[in-house]
Amino acid sequence: EVQLLVSGGGLVQPGESLRLSCAASDFTFSTYAMSWLRQAPGKGLEWVSTIGGSIAGTYYADSVRGRFTISRDNSKNTVYLQMNSLRAEDTAVYYCARRSGAGRYFDYWGQGTLVSVPS
Amino acid sequence: QSALTQPASVSGSPGQSITISCTGTNSDIGAYVSWYQQHPGKAPKLIIYEVSNRPSGVSNRFSGSKSGNTASLTISGLQAEDEADYYCSSYRFTYVFGTGTKVTVL
Repeated sequence: EVQLLVSGGGLVQPGESLRLSCAASDFTFSTYAMSWLRQAPGKGLEWVSTIGGSIAGTYYADSVRGRFTISRDNSKNTVYLQMNSLRAEDTAVYYCARRSGAGRYFDYWGQGTLVSVPS
Repeated sequence: QSALTQPASVSGSPGQSITISCTGTNSDIGAYVSWYQQHPGKAPKLIIYEVSNRPSGVSNRFSGSKSGNTASLTISGLQAEDEADYYCSSYRFTYVFGTGTKVTVL
């Protein structure tokens, strides 16, 4: 069974940085694109970023471009989200998700981690 | 891109069928429509992909369709365990999600 274990959330002050990790298991990690999505408290889902599999192109939502960086280490089956210059509006539960092989949907999700940035 | 529009809430009695709509603008709703179920405090779960396909293990009580710029999710034979939030999503150069619908089983 595919598993995605997310870690690294916490309380940070505005302007500070945080790195999230997502450790994957039970599938051939390097062949799948991986994504980060988030959900502000009581709000809907928002796509944040995607990184390709073997050809690791990166893509970002306008709201985080220039502040967040997605990366992956295929030797560790792990994807990361480096978040810099955090703002109050970045407060959310952050989910790691596997993007389906050829489709444009997210077939497995990690449990999420809360990032809190007070205003 | 703006969020896709869903009704805030839909309710039904056990055994009934309900339908959740997901409306976009212009060409938002294409072949890459997916639906996710989210129980409180849990991660979303994929229940429909590419408009009408169900992943392995998802009940056939869930079905999806599309007409013009509106996608729909139908839950037939409503059960207590179906009480959750439901989100549609579409991809057109970027991923956009719906506003979410809370399903209540009366």
